[in-house]
Amino acid sequence: GIQVEQSPPDLILQEGANSTLRCNFSDSVNNLQWFHQNPWGQLINLFYIPSGTKQNGRLSATTVATERYSLLYISSSQTTDSGVYFCAVVRAGGTSYGKLTFGQGTILTVHP
Amino acid sequence: DGGITQSPKYLFRKEGQNVTLSCEQNLNHDAMYWYRQDPGQGLRLIYYSQIVNDFQKGDIAEGYSVSREKKESFPLTVTSAQKNPTAFYLCASSSRTPYNEQFFGPGTRLTVL
Repeated sequence: GIQVEQSPPDLILQEGANSTLRCNFSDSVNNLQWFHQNPWGQLINLFYIPSGTKQNGRLSATTVATERYSLLYISSSQTTDSGVYFCAVVRAGGTSYGKLTFGQGTILTVHP
Repeated sequence: DGGITQSPKYLFRKEGQNVTLSCEQNLNHDAMYWYRQDPGQGLRLIYYSQIVNDFQKGDIAEGYSVSREKKESFPLTVTSAQKNPTAFYLCASSSRTPYNEQFFGPGTRLTVL
């Protein structure tokens, strides 16, 4: 199956700092999503971005499908940004109907 | 409000018992999914359903069963055959096109005593 690798595994920041999270995947994809998992376990949709660039406030994401990676940018981080960030993909073709394959996540801690 | 609800939020089970987790959505989505999350890990797919009265096994279906009698509902039964059922269970839904965005419910934490 498709492999999804996220880096770094852990990231510690001071409030106000910027950061970049990376997601590498091993095969062609037709769906790529970024999620933030809050302390209560809720998965919050950040971006649906199988290709291209999107921005939403302080967050932006870029997926370069031909090179099989995606980046999530967080600017001017806040303590409420803390949590686990997941990248998940659906492999193109085959029998992967709707199956999201998740990376291991990046644990972000933002200190005041 | 449109969304996905899961109940209960917390569930405790004795070994040897079957338990059923509820998942309901009012987003008019055709496809629904069940994922399992273990501590420090990403999510893994248990079962999915593209349409009413149809469902398929995911990567870790052993010890689980599902039904899809209504478009809005996709309950998951954790049977006594599941060797290590303690985990966080999340339900998701999407419109039927296979590559559309998935949305998740708040999850159920199951603990086997």
